[in-house]
This record gives sequence, structure tokens and C-alpha cells, in this order.
Amino acid sequence: GENVEQHPSTLSVQEGDSAVIKCTYSDSASNYFPWYKQELGKGPQLIIDIRSNVGEKKDQRIAVTLNKTAKHFSLHITETQPEDSAVYFCAAQGPDSWGKFQFGAGTQVVVTP
Amino acid sequence: DGGITQSPKYLFRKEGQNVTLSCEQNLNHDAMYWYRQDPGQGLRLIYYSQIVNDFQKGDIAEGYSVSREKKESFPLTVTSAQKNPTAFYLCASRGADKNIQYFGAGTRLSVL
Repeated sequence: GENVEQHPSTLSVQEGDSAVIKCTYSDSASNYFPWYKQELGKGPQLIIDIRSNVGEKKDQRIAVTLNKTAKHFSLHITETQPEDSAVYFCAAQGPDSWGKFQFGAGTQVVVTP
Repeated sequence: DGGITQSPKYLFRKEGQNVTLSCEQNLNHDAMYWYRQDPGQGLRLIYYSQIVNDFQKGDIAEGYSVSREKKESFPLTVTSAQKNPTAFYLCASRGADKNIQYFGAGTRLSVL
């Protein structure tokens, strides 16, 4: 089955700097890669996603890149703000997995003013 | 408001007791999911349901049971067979876009 590894587990950045989180996946048939943001005591919220036929996607200060050959994808947050502090999860979904996601272990991002 | 409602927000279980976590959605989504979240770990799939009256075991189904009698409801029972039930439980649903899952706010279960 699919296995997703996420690094780093914690990330501390100064406000205004960029943050990068990387995930690798094992199943080359995986074709959908969402990123979720989870604030303390709340459920995860989808912030951006990418499908396997696209190499990069941007939405304001966040972007995701996908390298299918190397089987890894990354989340980039530019001009970080204190409200970006949260746990971020990546996930991978295969084509026939009935919508089942395999999640990474999460990255705790702390943005310090 | 459309969305996924989980209740209660906090739940305590005594030794040998079964407890049921509620998940209701008014998004008209066919598929629903239950995940368990432990500190420092990703979400692990307990059970999922693609359609009413049908459900499948996920990766960690032992000690849990579910039912799907109505499209909008997917309750999870944590049985006494689950020896380590303390965790944050998340319910999700998926609609016409067969990729995107939407999550509820979660239920935190603790053992007394």
C-alpha cells in the first residue's frame, strides 16, 4: 500500500520568511495530493491540492510542487504570518483507492513575530 | 450552514464501556470516513462508507464499529475491545469531486 513520509516534523520560521515542507510517497499510481492545515483543537482544512497531471499550483502565498519521477511533493508558504502557525499534513491518494488517503505524520509550523 | 458536525466535542469513557461518537453531514455527500489522530502522527483510517448500508474496514478497525443507515449519518462506536481509545477522532465526507475530503471539528476521547 501507499506510504507517505513528511519532513520536517517541526519548523520554526521568522515572520516574513518562507516555509517549505516536503513529502515523499511510495505508490507511483497515486494521482492526487492534498495539503491540509490543522489548528489546535480543530479539524483539518484543505488549503491546496495538486493532481498528477500538473507540476505546480499556486494560490496567493501558498504553492505546491510535484515531482512524479522522484515521487515527492512540497508545500511552499511565502511571506509567513503568525496566523500560518498550525500543523500541516500532506496526503496521497491512488486512482482506485475509493477516496482513501494516506497521510503524512504532520509538520508543526511556528511563525515567530 | 452546510458542513460536518461531530458531537460531543469531548467524551470520557469508563473501563469496559462502549461509547458512540456522532457524525452528521448536510452536504449530500455519498462517502464518509472516520480517522483516528494520535499526537505526532498522521491520520489513520478506521472505517469508511461509500454508500448507505455499506461500509469497509480501514487500517485500524479493530475495537471499533460503525453503521450507515442514513446518508447524512455515520456514527462510530468505540467498544470495550479497544484497549487504547484515547485519541482525537475525525469524521470526513467526500462528494461529487471524488478527491476532496471535508473534515468535522473532531471529538476528543479520554479514558477515566
